[in-house]
Amino acid sequence: ETGVTQTPRHLVMGMTNKKSLKCEQHLGHNAMYWYKQSAKKPLELMFVYNFKEQTENNSVPSRFSPECPNSSHLFLHLHTLQPEDSALYLCASSQDTGGASYEQYFGPGTRLTVT
Amino acid sequence: DQQVKQNSPSLSVQEGRISILNCDYTNSMFDYFLWYKKYPAEGPTFLISISSIKDKNEDGRFTVFLNKSAKHLSLHIVPSQPGDSAVYFCAALSNSGYALNFGKGTSLLVTP
Repeated sequence: ETGVTQTPRHLVMGMTNKKSLKCEQHLGHNAMYWYKQSAKKPLELMFVYNFKEQTENNSVPSRFSPECPNSSHLFLHLHTLQPEDSALYLCASSQDTGGASYEQYFGPGTRLTVT
Repeated sequence: DQQVKQNSPSLSVQEGRISILNCDYTNSMFDYFLWYKKYPAEGPTFLISISSIKDKNEDGRFTVFLNKSAKHLSLHIVPSQPGDSAVYFCAALSNSGYALNFGKGTSLLVTP
C-alpha cells in the first residue's frame, strides 16, 4: 500500500450507532488531519495531529472523537451522529505542520451517511 | 467568511487549448498556495504549489502564477487533455496555521 488509505470507503449508520473511521499513511509523515466535506461547501478542517499530539480542534462537536496511536494511524470515532453529519470525511498527512512542509496528501475519503 | 474564492464553478475547454483556472484570496498572511485536482469518489490529489516569495512555478504542463498585490493566483494547463477533466481546488496556508483554506472548486471539462 502506498500513500494515504482510508477504510471504510462507504458507511451508513443510524443515529444511535457507534462506528470508527480509519486512516493510515505510508509516507513517513509526522502530521495527520481530518477534514469534512459537505455538499456545496469547501473542505473544513476538523482535527490536526503532529507527532501523535493533537494540535488543533476546530470547534468540532464531541460526538466526533479522534485518536492517533502513532504517526501512521489516525482514527475518527463516531457516536450519536446527526443526519447533518452526512458528508465525505477525508484524511490527509504532511511531513510536518506549517512551514516548508505544507503539502498535504489526501486519502480517498469515507462517504458517511447518517440515517 | 471564506478566505479563498473560486468564482467560476465550471469551465469547458477544447483539447489542446489552454485552461486557465482562477483563484482569489483575502488573507494577506497566506504564505503558500496549492492546487489540488479531484476526481469523483476520490480524495484531492496534490498538483502544484507556490510560495508567496515567488510569482511563478512551472511543472510540465502546469504553471501557477501568483499576483500578491491583487491577491490572485491562477493555474494554467497547456495543452489541455481530456484526462484533465476534474474538479480543481485552490488552497492557501499561512506559516503559523495548520489548516488548508480551500476554495469551493472549479469543474474543468476538456472536450475532444
